[in-house]
Amino acid sequence: AQSVAQPEDQVNVAEGNPLTVKCTYSVSGNPYLFWYVQYPNRGLQFLLKYITGDNLVKGSYGFEAEFNKSQTSFHLKKPSALVSDSALYFCAVRDGYSSASKIIFGSGTRLSIRP
Amino acid sequence: EAEVAQSPRYKITEKSQAVAFWCDPISGHATLYWYRQILGQGPELLVQFQDESVVDDSQLPKDRFSAERLKGVDSTLKIQPAELGDSAMYLCASSRGRGDTEAFFGQGTRLTVV
Repeated sequence: AQSVAQPEDQVNVAEGNPLTVKCTYSVSGNPYLFWYVQYPNRGLQFLLKYITGDNLVKGSYGFEAEFNKSQTSFHLKKPSALVSDSALYFCAVRDGYSSASKIIFGSGTRLSIRP
Repeated sequence: EAEVAQSPRYKITEKSQAVAFWCDPISGHATLYWYRQILGQGPELLVQFQDESVVDDSQLPKDRFSAERLKGVDSTLKIQPAELGDSAMYLCASSRGRGDTEAFFGQGTRLTVV
């Protein structure tokens, strides 16, 4: 069975500093990994994905994520945080073994950027 | 830019009443998902369609929830009867149907059962 863990409920960072939001996963086959962001009372917005290839993937709003197969991790990063990055972030995984496999979400990490 | 449409945005209903949500996916998207998100938690998959067929409804409480996607396009999720514990955000999403494609989400329906 596939699963996702986001070990931090909340991450606090000062504006201008680098940020990292952690994610680890478990799947039977090849992992397809995704990051989404959610603002209050809104749906989820896609940020980036890892399917295959380069372990560092770049996405929207200056975010990037690093895939680490040996550590089964897919941490979200940004070199310089903005106050507007404050939101709820979700990591998600799909088992690449089947095209019909479901997308499983983590419990979310609330990112708070202080001015 | 194409979007997933959901209605209504907000719904307040009394316990034991019936309630229905509607979703229109992005045109051409073969896969449609219904998720339930309790405040402060991650989305939980209720049902997944591939065209008009259900491919996963293992987490759908089938005694009170039903979902259909009759023509493989738009979809309806129904709850009957609603219970207090059903209060949550109900999110619809769609994807092109290949495993390597991301899902695009609608704005969601916020359900409050009183």
